[in-house]
Amino acid sequence: QKEVEQDPGPLSVPEGAIVSLNCTYSNSAFQYFMWYRQYSRKGPELLMYTYSSGNKEDGRFTAQVDKSSKYISLFIRDSQPSDSATYLCASQGAQKLVFGQGTRLTINP
Amino acid sequence: DGGITQSPKYLFRKEGQNVTLSCEQNLNHDAMYWYRQDPGQGLRLIYYSQIVNDFQKGDIAEGYSVSREKKESFPLTVTSAQKNPTAFYLCASSPGRGRSSEQYFGPGTRLTVT
Repeated sequence: QKEVEQDPGPLSVPEGAIVSLNCTYSNSAFQYFMWYRQYSRKGPELLMYTYSSGNKEDGRFTAQVDKSSKYISLFIRDSQPSDSATYLCASQGAQKLVFGQGTRLTINP
Repeated sequence: DGGITQSPKYLFRKEGQNVTLSCEQNLNHDAMYWYRQDPGQGLRLIYYSQIVNDFQKGDIAEGYSVSREKKESFPLTVTSAQKNPTAFYLCASSPGRGRSSEQYFGPGTRLTVT
């Protein structure tokens, strides 16, 4: 079993929709959780960074961590075509990040 | 303008040749990392370095080598021993000192070996 699991998609939604991206993790020792956005043929960009359980909001993006169920979520409100990218979740393991596979998201105008 | 640079963007080599990928950062970060990205497999850690003159193997270090002689630079050599070297290679850095989870990535180098 991978330490961080993420549905690779692809996921396609209309512009303006609320997008929900999800990951699960297996190691209860994980405390830090990240979401990265990666455009095609580019390096990943750190989008959201959360510690332990709870919500964190930044503009149209909300990151949510539920440690009791080992579930990580990213919500995108009022989605735009420019949000089309691959989204990677990650958790902090022992001195290194553990990444999910990434979910490819397309927002259709 | 602070950031991480990787060069070249595209690299082509013949099988059996060693090749070195460049990674430079001017963020004054202590830690640097090399990842490999293949379709459908996410990012896999090759090597990382938390301070100058010290580095550790990641999950897939076989066939790769690194050096960390300067804080700003962390070059990766893909040797002929790497059985499947064609991939997208990403370099990252982080402040370290308890903030190692905040990793910032360069633009990547796409290596093709034929």
